[in-house]
Parts: sequence; structure tokens; C-alpha cells
Amino acid sequence: AQSVTQLGSHVSVSEGALVLLRCNYSSSVPPYLFWYVQYPNQGLQLLLKYTSAATLVKGINGFEAEFKKSETSFHLTKPSAHMSDAAEYFCALKAAGNKLTFGGGTRVLVKP
Amino acid sequence: DTGVSQDPRHKITKRGQNVTFRCDPISEHNRLYWYRQTLGQGPEFLTYFQNEAQLEKSRLLSDRFSAERPKGSFSTLEIQRTEQGDSAMYLCASSLGGQYYEQYFGPGTRLTVT
Repeated sequence: AQSVTQLGSHVSVSEGALVLLRCNYSSSVPPYLFWYVQYPNQGLQLLLKYTSAATLVKGINGFEAEFKKSETSFHLTKPSAHMSDAAEYFCALKAAGNKLTFGGGTRVLVKP
Repeated sequence: DTGVSQDPRHKITKRGQNVTFRCDPISEHNRLYWYRQTLGQGPEFLTYFQNEAQLEKSRLLSDRFSAERPKGSFSTLEIQRTEQGDSAMYLCASSLGGQYYEQYFGPGTRLTVT
């Protein structure tokens, strides 16, 4: 069975500080991994994706993520948080089949 | 490109009523997905279409739920005899086939069952 675990349901960072959101996955086949962002009462917007090419993936809005097979992780980072980064972030896995399996989400609060 | 659209954005209904939601995918996308998201949780997969064929259904999709994509373009999701536990955000996504795996999501339909 495939699964995604996001460590920390809430993260609070100061504006300008590093944002680090953790994602670990379990999959019996090589995974494709995604990070999405969701603003209140909106759908999900794709931030970035890993599809077995480069292990360090750059996305929109200054975010990047690194795929580490040995650690079964795909953590999301941004060097300097901005107030507009306050949102909920979801890590998702596509393994066998076409559906996405999502983690529980991490809500980011940015303090001025 | 107008993105994935969903209608209505909000629906309030009384328990026992039937509701129907519509999703219009990105025009060239042949794959369409439905997910359900409850408060504080990640989206959960409900069902998936490739063109007009419904290829996969989750066990979450009880017999009160039915989805169609009759001409391989827009899709509808109907819930019969709604229950309070059906209250959730219903998200639609679409994607190209083949090597293009990323799914693009619509704004969702928030259902409240009173």
C-alpha cells in the first residue's frame, strides 16, 4: 500500500526565515511526488513535481524539494518566507495507478 | 486556458436531498478525477475517468454516489439521499495522459448538509 506522512500539521515561521515542510512516503514502486498549496476556500495549486529526473526539483514561488530515496523523503523548502506563503501545503504521491495519495497537510503561519 | 472549473462553488442542502455537481476540465485533458476533502484533511480519491470511461472507483464511493462523463468532456458527480457525513469539499482535477502525471485542480464545491 502507498502512503504519505507529513510531519507537523502546523508550522510557524518568521517572515524572512527558512520554511521546511517534511514529507515521507511509502511506495512499493518508484514514486512520482508532488507538492501542492491550498489557500482558504480554494482548490490546490501545483508547486512542483518529481518524476524520476533530477532529485532536486525547483518549483514556483521560490520553493524547491529534494527527493531522497534512501530516506523515502521529499521535503519542501523555501529560503525566505513571505507573508503570502501562509497557506496549507500538501505532499502527494502517485505510485501504481493514476490516483494521487495525499498527506494530511501542513498549515504554515508566517509571523511578521 | 481557463483552467478547471466547478459549479456550484457552494451548496447547502437538507439531509435526504439529492445534489449534483459539475466539473469542466482543461479542454485538452482526457483524464478527470474526483476527490473529497474534509476539514483539516488531505484530499481523498473518489473516482477517475479516461475520456468517457470510468476506470477506477474508491471504496469511499458508496452506492449513493454516481459519477458520469458522458462525452468525455465535462463530468457530473451526484450524491443521492445526502447525509451529514457527506459535508465536505468536492474537488475535481484533470490531466493529460501518458507521461504527463500532474493533475490540475478546480476550486472545488463545498457541500454542507444540514
